[in-house]
Amino acid sequence: NAGVTQTPKFRILKIGQSMTLQCTQDMNHNYMYWYRQDPGMGLKLIYYSVGAGITDKGEVPNGYNVSRSTTEDFPLRLELAAPSQTSVYFCASSTGPGTGPFFGPGTRLTVL
Amino acid sequence: QQQVKQSPQSLIVQKGGISIINCAYENTAFDYFPWYQQFPGKGPALLIAIRPDVSEKKEGRFTISFNKSAKQFSLHIMDSQPGDSATYFCAASILSGYSTLTFGKGTMLLVSP
Repeated sequence: NAGVTQTPKFRILKIGQSMTLQCTQDMNHNYMYWYRQDPGMGLKLIYYSVGAGITDKGEVPNGYNVSRSTTEDFPLRLELAAPSQTSVYFCASSTGPGTGPFFGPGTRLTVL
Repeated sequence: QQQVKQSPQSLIVQKGGISIINCAYENTAFDYFPWYQQFPGKGPALLIAIRPDVSEKKEGRFTISFNKSAKQFSLHIMDSQPGDSATYFCAASILSGYSTLTFGKGTMLLVSP
């Protein structure tokens, strides 16, 4: 199993551009999550999904959108990128509460 | 409102010593407490987790101690090694429903040779 994979690994965006961060897991996990990590601030939940077709907002959802059309994929969309979205983004998955979650390797995004 | 407070922010321990990282939580409904280890440039990796029906859980050199009445839990790393140098995060969640993890802000551990 590859686990949780994320693409791209690095990306530089200009202010106002948009992009999609890809996340795929091959563990047949129902739960998937997007976190952002800023220095000294821990991990903040952006969005999560408890199954295909079901998504919900986390702590910091503004400026982001998600979709979950399959169990495996959980892309994160950034519209109108802003410097405040400069961060490292982690996708994670789990079978449910009390298990994991297991994190991907991350995407380092810089908005200039 | 930060629901999980982690201390210290950074820690330097000599090789062979004991590293201790503490976390305190506010929400008494939390009933799942994992610890994550993160190396630079990598994603966090689940290290060890505890549920409040036990006061201690040990896996190798890593031990979680849990004090339900004080709403505190801690990670002890025995015989700390330079390879343990990483950032450690505590977290908490509720097992029922669609609860998600709330993370502490992390502790950067450096084990000196």
